[in-house]
Order: sequence, then C-alpha cells, then structure tokens
Amino acid sequence: SQQGEEDPQALSIQEGENATMNCSYKTSINNLQWYRQNSGRGLVHLILIRSNEREKHSGRLRVTLDTSKKSSSLLITASRAADTASYFCATAQSTQAGTALIFGKGTTLSVSS
Amino acid sequence: KAGVTQTPRYLIKTRGQQVTLSCSPISGHRSVSWYQQTPGQGLQFLFEYFSETQRNKGNFPGRFSGRQFSNSRSEMNVSTLELGDSALYLCASSLAENSQPQHFGDGTRLSIL
Repeated sequence: SQQGEEDPQALSIQEGENATMNCSYKTSINNLQWYRQNSGRGLVHLILIRSNEREKHSGRLRVTLDTSKKSSSLLITASRAADTASYFCATAQSTQAGTALIFGKGTTLSVSS
Repeated sequence: KAGVTQTPRYLIKTRGQQVTLSCSPISGHRSVSWYQQTPGQGLQFLFEYFSETQRNKGNFPGRFSGRQFSNSRSEMNVSTLELGDSALYLCASSLAENSQPQHFGDGTRLSIL
C-alpha cells in the first residue's frame, strides 16, 4: 500500500527557479525521508526529518513537516539541470512482521536550461 | 567506501524460468532490503534481511524469496517467472535492522519475454 503520495506527479521548470514538491501520508510516523532517483539508477537519500522537527535544511534543499496535516514538502532552490530526476517521499510503516519503508509514487522534475 | 552493488544490471528471461539476483551491501551494513519498482505500482517493499534472517516481508507471492549470507550479501530468487515480474529490482542496505537511511544500489532491470 502507498503511504506517501507526492504532488504534483510532474513538474517542469527553468534553471534558477525553485521547485516545490509535496507529500501526504496516512499514518503516524517517526520520521519521513526524501529520496532522488535519476533515470535508470537507484535511489539516493536526500534528507530525513524526524516527527518532532518542523523544518530541515541541507544545501539547496529545505524540507518541512506538518504532522497535524500529515504532510511534508521538499523545496529545491535555484534549480539546476542536474536536479532533473524523480523525487520520492518515504515513511516507515510498522506491520505485524516488522517495519517496512513505504514510498510514494514520486514527482518527476524536469529542469531545462 | 564502495556503495551497494547489484548484479547483474540487466537480465532477460522467459516466462516459467527462474532468476537469482545478487546484492552486496556497503561494508559494515548488516541489513538488506529488496524492492520492486514498476511504472504501475511504483516502489514496493519485498523483504528485509538481517543477520541471515528474514525480518519482514511485503505482500508478494511465495515465488519471491531471498536469503542473506554470513557476510551480509543477499540474493533474491523469483521462480516461475510471469510477464508481470518485469521490473527494476532494487536492493538497499543499512547499518542495522529497521535503521535509516537506506542506501540503494542501481538495481537489476529484469525483462520477461
């Protein structure tokens, strides 16, 4: 089952512009993570934000978390062509068998020069 | 430090055959998780191994199985292949069971003819 759902599904911007992606989830969480996937490659971990944090920065990335709305956003500032990729949010979901990382369907970002 | 290595990168099989995929985690990482990625279903959790034991399993049929060796390397096996098994299979490693973040390999692209 999908825990995180990203919005929009696709986003096209020009270099230098900011890109904002949103993620909604369904159950309570301990943390939420964002990953990037370049075409044909594996996922790269970008940032993890814990449930008691509201905002976190890493370079040109800014992540916010609103646990009351069960939502998170990823902001990429001053986008570059190299930021072209798919971006996924992920949350850890506990089941009877253990804990699994559940991903949303992702936002495909295209940055043109 | 070398990243997660998955072999082979590409594989073509026919229906009814079986396949074994291999994953070598980052040195020192003891947990290995497997995911299936398809355009329709997105990223879906298959299973997680830690200390040579399956710790968690996603909602996949018994045709999908795996194992982990004492050096933490893991293999995933799919028997009686179906057309719908065509996907990118991703392996991720982390330091311990349920620990975050996970570090992904570039995957094995499996095509079923």
